[in-house]
Amino acid sequence: TQLLEQSPQFLSIQEGENLTVYCNSSSVFSSLQWYRQEPGEGPVLLVTVVTGGEVKKLKRLTFQFGDARKDSSLHITAAQTGDTGLYLCAGDARGDAGGTSYGKLTFGQGTILTVHP
Amino acid sequence: DSGVTQTPKHLITATGQRVTLRCSPRSGDLSVYWYQQSLDQGLQFLIQYYNGEERAKGNILERFSAQQFPDLHSELNLSSLELGDSALYFCASSVGVGAGRYNEQFFGPGTRLTVL
Repeated sequence: TQLLEQSPQFLSIQEGENLTVYCNSSSVFSSLQWYRQEPGEGPVLLVTVVTGGEVKKLKRLTFQFGDARKDSSLHITAAQTGDTGLYLCAGDARGDAGGTSYGKLTFGQGTILTVHP
Repeated sequence: DSGVTQTPKHLITATGQRVTLRCSPRSGDLSVYWYQQSLDQGLQFLIQYYNGEERAKGNILERFSAQQFPDLHSELNLSSLELGDSALYFCASSVGVGAGRYNEQFFGPGTRLTVL
C-alpha cells in the first residue's frame, strides 16, 4: 500500500511570508500531482511533476520532485490571502509512465494553509 | 470550471435509504474516478471506470456500487445508508489512455451527502 505523508497538517502565516509543504513516501511514483481545494469545492490540479529532480514554477509557487521520485515539495513565496486553502499531493504509482494511464492516485492527507492579512 | 459535472450538489436523506450520484466527465475523457472525502479520512479513492469497465477498486463498501454508461457518464449508488456515510463525494475524470499521458485527474464540484 502506497502512503503519502504531508507535513505540516496545518499552517497559519501572515501575508508576505514564505512557506514550504512537504509530501513524503517510501514508494516510488511515476508522477506526482499537487492540487488546491477550497471549502465545498473539488480539488483543482496545480501541477504534475514526472522526472526525478524536476522543478516547476507557477508564478509564486515552486514545485520540486525528489531525485528518487519518492517525495515532493511545494514552496510559496510571499504568500497572499488568496493562497488560503487545502493543498493536496497525489502520487501515481504505475511503474510504466509511458503506458496507458490507468489506476488510482494516492492522496496525502493535505495541508490546510491559512494566510492572514 | 473543470468540465466535470456532478448532480445533485446537495443530498439529504435518512438512514437506510438509497441514493444515486451522477457524474459527467470532461469531453474526451474515458476514465472516471469516485472519491469520498470526510473530515477524518481525507480524500479516499473508491472506484475507477475506464470506457465502461471497472479498472481499479479502493476502499469501497459492499453497500456502494458504481457503473459507467456507454455515453461515459457514471453513477455511484449508495444503499442502506448510515450516518457515517455523510461526506463529500467527488467524481474525477482523466483522458485515461495513451503513451506519455499521466494520470492527471480533473475533479467535479462534488455532492454533499448528509444522512440523518
